Amino acid sequence: NAGVTQTPKFQVLKTGQSMTLQCAQDMNHNSMYWYRQDPGMGLRLIYYSASEGTTDKGEVPNGYNVSRLNKREFSLRLESAAPSQTSVYFCASSESTSGPYNEQFFGPGTRLTVL
Amino acid sequence: AQKITQTQPGMFVQEKEAVTLDCTYDTSDPSYGLFWYKQPSSGEMIFLIYQGSYDQQNATEGRYSLNFQKARKSANLVISASQLGDSAMYFCAMRESGGSYIPTFGRGTSLIVHP
Repeated sequence: NAGVTQTPKFQVLKTGQSMTLQCAQDMNHNSMYWYRQDPGMGLRLIYYSASEGTTDKGEVPNGYNVSRLNKREFSLRLESAAPSQTSVYFCASSESTSGPYNEQFFGPGTRLTVL
Repeated sequence: AQKITQTQPGMFVQEKEAVTLDCTYDTSDPSYGLFWYKQPSSGEMIFLIYQGSYDQQNATEGRYSLNFQKARKSANLVISASQLGDSAMYFCAMRESGGSYIPTFGRGTSLIVHP
């Protein structure tokens, strides 16, 4: 039982390059999330998918796109990377978004540097 | 306005002593949930404890307890008998019905346990 997996673990990009961060969960969860973590800022939500077939913007969606490929997979794409997107990216999943108790399970994170 | 406020950027505690990490929240919803996560230096996010707004008693999980003061809108994490392995970042988070139960995180508190 792998939980939430993310690839890659580390990535260095040049400004303007594109890349896709991959996330998969094997817990049959309906909801998935992408966060970025910057020093002193906590976790900020980029996009989320409440259920398969839906995606919604979070707090900081600019410069990103997402795809909920199927129930297991939720990818995050940077079309034209900028230095401001240097961050640690976390994918998470939860059973659903309905109700106050839905523990999130997090992936190990992707450390992205944009030069 | 921040939904979750953690006012202590850094805290120090002696091994075996208790420590309280502060968290205040802002919501007008009657239904919400409060979470604490631990992030050690290895980077993974570890769920610690949950408190629901309708729960009559403070949540406890082993050495972790949540001091829930609803009228003050505070949900402080108490770690008893601190261990060196407790050194980490700690994040408070909230899910509220008005926010579609999408979690919002505080900026975190860095805890260092001294031997």
